[in-house]
Amino acid sequence: NAGVTQTPKFRILKIGQSMTLQCTQDMNHNYMYWYRQDPGMGLKLIYYSVGAGITDKGEVPNGYNVSRSTTEDFPLRLELAAPSQTSVYFCASSSEREDTQYFGPGTRLTVL
Amino acid sequence: RKEVEQDPGPFNVPEGATVAFNCTYSNSASQSFFWYRQDCRKEPKLLMSVYSSGNEDGRFTAQLNRASQYISLLIRDSKLSDSATYLCVVNGDSGGGADGLTFGKGTHLIIQP
Repeated sequence: NAGVTQTPKFRILKIGQSMTLQCTQDMNHNYMYWYRQDPGMGLKLIYYSVGAGITDKGEVPNGYNVSRSTTEDFPLRLELAAPSQTSVYFCASSSEREDTQYFGPGTRLTVL
Repeated sequence: RKEVEQDPGPFNVPEGATVAFNCTYSNSASQSFFWYRQDCRKEPKLLMSVYSSGNEDGRFTAQLNRASQYISLLIRDSKLSDSATYLCVVNGDSGGGADGLTFGKGTHLIIQP
């Protein structure tokens, strides 16, 4: 099993551009999550999904959108990128809500 | 609002020493507790779950004190490779939804030769 994979690993965007961060898991987990982590700070939940077709907002959803068309994939869309969105983005998945979360390697995004 | 508090450190500890750090949580209804390890510029990885009776995994011991709402991590015979940031994670009973996982900001541990 590859676990949770994310692409790209790094990306530089100009202000106002848009992009999609890809996340795929091969563990057949129902729950998937997107977090952002700023330097020296903890993880903040952006969006989560409890299954295909179901998504919900986390703590910091503004400026982002998600979709969950399949169990495996949970892409995160940034529209109109802003410097405040410069961060490391982690995707994670778990089999149950209370269960261990497994993280992807992260995407380092810089918005200039 | 659920909160998980940790001393950010850094804890500078000589190799071979024992080090312990705590984490406090605010949601008394929390049901699941974990310690994650995060190396510099890497993703968080599960170190161990924390059970009510306490649990040990090699040199690592985790304990839960529900009355005082804290969990602890003890590392014995510390190795250079233990240098990392340790995240306290508490999964509260939010009554529905998957947003119950709360991460602490982490405690930075540096093992010195």
